[in-house]
Amino acid sequence: QVQLVQSGPEVKKPGTSVRISCRPFGYTFSRHYIHWVRQAPGQGLEWMGAINPSGGSASYAQDFQGRVTMSRTTSTTTVYMALTSLTSEDTAVYFCARDAQKTPMRFMASVGWFDSWGQGTPVTVSS
Amino acid sequence: DIQMTQSPSSLSASVGDRVTITCRASQDISNYVAWYQQKPGQVPKLLIYGASTLQSGVPSRFSGGRSGTDFTLTISSLRPEDFATYYCQKYNSAPITFGRGTRLDIK
Repeated sequence: QVQLVQSGPEVKKPGTSVRISCRPFGYTFSRHYIHWVRQAPGQGLEWMGAINPSGGSASYAQDFQGRVTMSRTTSTTTVYMALTSLTSEDTAVYFCARDAQKTPMRFMASVGWFDSWGQGTPVTVSS
Repeated sequence: DIQMTQSPSSLSASVGDRVTITCRASQDISNYVAWYQQKPGQVPKLLIYGASTLQSGVPSRFSGGRSGTDFTLTISSLRPEDFATYYCQKYNSAPITFGRGTRLDIK
């Protein structure tokens, strides 16, 4: 059974950074991209980017370029999302999600739908 | 970037009603659309992918359709547990985009 387990809630001051972890279980770590999606209070879903756990390459949404870094540690089969220069607008629940498709031969040649999600990590940015 | 315009933003209906939610893509995206259900405080749940393929375990009262760049999610006969927010998603190429959501309330 596929399961993605995320790290716990975070409270951060403006201008600082946050790093959230996501550890998948129940399938081969390297075979599916992991995506990050966030949801501000009362708002919709916003895609932040994706990482290929096999090689570590990542692709980021334009709105987060320069502020986000996605990485992975193969020894612990864990994926991370770090976001810098936090403002109150970054207050949200952050989800990791598994790409349903197997990783393509060429990075980001195709991306799929999300068939399993982490439980979400609330991040509050407040002075 | 390809935009997904979802409508309506909210909808009130009764148990037993048939409801349809629509997403219009800003350009041709073939069948690369998924639909998710999200209840308050919960994680999004995949309902449909490939515009019309039902995810395993999802009740058959949910169905998806496509006409050109218009995509629909239909619930044939609403049950109490279906009152939630629904999102469409365009995938296949980055950036992935979501519709803004449709909140389905009990009338």
